[in-house]
Amino acid sequence: KNQVEQSPQSLIILEGKNCTLQCNYTVSPFSNLRWYKQDTGRGPVSLTIMTFSENTKSNGRYTATLDADTKQSSLHITASQLSDSASYICVVRPLDDYKLSFGAGTTVTVRA
Amino acid sequence: DAGITQSPRYKITETGRQVTLMCHQTWSHSYMFWYRQDLGHGLRLIYYSAAADITDKGEVPDGYVVSRSKTENFPLTLESATRSQTSVYFCASSDQGIGVHQPQHFGDGTRLSIL
Repeated sequence: KNQVEQSPQSLIILEGKNCTLQCNYTVSPFSNLRWYKQDTGRGPVSLTIMTFSENTKSNGRYTATLDADTKQSSLHITASQLSDSASYICVVRPLDDYKLSFGAGTTVTVRA
Repeated sequence: DAGITQSPRYKITETGRQVTLMCHQTWSHSYMFWYRQDLGHGLRLIYYSAAADITDKGEVPDGYVVSRSKTENFPLTLESATRSQTSVYFCASSDQGIGVHQPQHFGDGTRLSIL
């Protein structure tokens, strides 16, 4: 069973609007949780990283939150742009291993 | 900066053939990884390497072979390709160790189709 579940699978938003992506995980204990952005035809690129003790981390218009008690994370995109169209992948690293657990990703489509 | 490069970007081959996917990184990262990405699945680890001449199996290693004679190269070979190995393959590298929060840096993938 996948230890990282993401929702929704896909979403479509209008340019300038906000959206929130969800990530639930069962990996425990964990070292860090990272969100990656994957453009079509490209490899994933790290957006944010959060450790166990962090609740919020921002990177420009991207804000990630982490609730370690409920094992949930979210990625909020503010004032979306066409360039935000991509797949966003939640990745959890266990505390005592360097093998990562990947979510299946949420595909975001921003329309003008 | 070249970073991590994969070749070829696209490959079509037939079942039963041997095919090798190349991965080269310029950072001298100790760790390198091979993943496959299929629709509806998260990236799945095939093999990884902690250093030159040290490799180990990941989650889905069957049908694949790796080697790492030099730190910068980590080729992946499908010894006898099957249709179920049609996928997008990603190579990644990292300077991570246990407890280190370095990201994995991914190449742009090889899209492999097996007919």
